[in-house]
Amino acid sequence: QKEVEQDPGPLSVPEGAIVSLNCTYSNSAFQYFMWYRQYSRKGPELLMYTYSSGNKEDGRFTAQVDKSSKYISLFIRDSQPSDSATYLCAMQAAGNKLTFGGGTRVLVKP
Amino acid sequence: DTGVSQNPRHKITKRGQNVTFRCDPISEHNRLYWYRQTLGQGPEFLTYFQNEAQLEKSRLLSDRFSAERPKGSFSTLEIQRTEQGDSAMYLCASSLRGGTTNEKLFFGSGTQLSVL
Repeated sequence: QKEVEQDPGPLSVPEGAIVSLNCTYSNSAFQYFMWYRQYSRKGPELLMYTYSSGNKEDGRFTAQVDKSSKYISLFIRDSQPSDSATYLCAMQAAGNKLTFGGGTRVLVKP
Repeated sequence: DTGVSQNPRHKITKRGQNVTFRCDPISEHNRLYWYRQTLGQGPEFLTYFQNEAQLEKSRLLSDRFSAERPKGSFSTLEIQRTEQGDSAMYLCASSLRGGTTNEKLFFGSGTQLSVL
């Protein structure tokens, strides 16, 4: 079993809809949680970074962390075709390397 | 451009050949990471440096792989006697590790390796 599980998708939504993404994890040592966006043939780009349970909002993006359930989510409001990409969750124990989920491919249709 | 730079962007080689990739991190970042990503998968950790010291290597990193970071600046990743299973995107990331445990990794665009 992988330390971080993420549904590979693809997730197809109409433009303007809310995109909902999530990851589960098994390692209780993970303290820092990130979401990266990756376009085809590009490196991952950091979108959101959080280290506590609860919500963090940044523009159209909201990240949620529930450490008790070992579950994190990313919501994208008012989705645009330019949001079409692969979204990777990543987690980190203190002072340690990032561990990634497998990524969810998202397609926002005009 | 102040981002992480990787060269070459693409590399095609024949099985058994050696290849070397280069990564230039964000200036003043003291940590440098190498990850490998295959199609449809998330990046997998290979190794990382703090300044010039290689602090951790994944068991994925066979003895055909070697990484260096002389003088704590750029880094190279060499693969000897390449195999078809080495075909992947090789990603480099850098971060600034300060007094706290928080660090954010910034990735380059990767080197896509194809072994024929």
